[in-house]
Amino acid sequence: GEDVEQSLFLSVREGDSSVINCTYTDSSSTYLYWYKQEPGAGLQLLTYIFSNMDMKQDQRLTVLLNKKDKHLSLRIADTQTGDSAIYFCAESSSSGTYKYIFGTGTRLKVLA
Amino acid sequence: NAGVTQTPKFQVLKTGQSMTLQCAQDMNHEYMSWYRQDPGMGLRLIHYSVGAGITDQGEVPNGYNVSRSTTEDFPLRLLSAAPSQTSVYFCASSPPLGTPSFGPGTRLTVT
Repeated sequence: GEDVEQSLFLSVREGDSSVINCTYTDSSSTYLYWYKQEPGAGLQLLTYIFSNMDMKQDQRLTVLLNKKDKHLSLRIADTQTGDSAIYFCAESSSSGTYKYIFGTGTRLKVLA
Repeated sequence: NAGVTQTPKFQVLKTGQSMTLQCAQDMNHEYMSWYRQDPGMGLRLIHYSVGAGITDQGEVPNGYNVSRSTTEDFPLRLLSAAPSQTSVYFCASSPPLGTPSFGPGTRLTVT
């Protein structure tokens, strides 16, 4: 079945770049997403990429998609303490865009 | 627009009790879904709906019922609560081919 995998933890120093990685199995995914969850809060959509794109940049965020390897990454430039959160990768399943498969989430800790 | 709203925010139940988690959206989205979030497991799909009157099971449907009598509302019912249902529950909605919007979540503890 469809699966999305992420590493559980990442720690970086303030001002450095963070790279959060994700692998997925469904090669027919239409969209891939990155969500941010702050403590005690819901999920906030950060960015998404259509499956026919290789890269998308949005201010400090850069998303890279390698369809051949089914690998998605999120790069946060100049990471700040406010970026500390859990980041979820998700794909819309091949069954339709109303079913989303989420990764386990990567907890990013930014050290001052 | 209020977006996706969920009530209650917190709930404590005893084993065997039943309750309904409420979810409403005011964006006229066709698609709505319920997820549960457990540590180290990400979000898992419980049930989803592609329109009023249509529901289907997700990855972990056992112990939960849903109905969709209107476009706006998608309640999740726990029939007989069990400690394994202790979790954070998120409701989401989206238009066709659109990105999902999530509610703030309901934190449920079953003792």
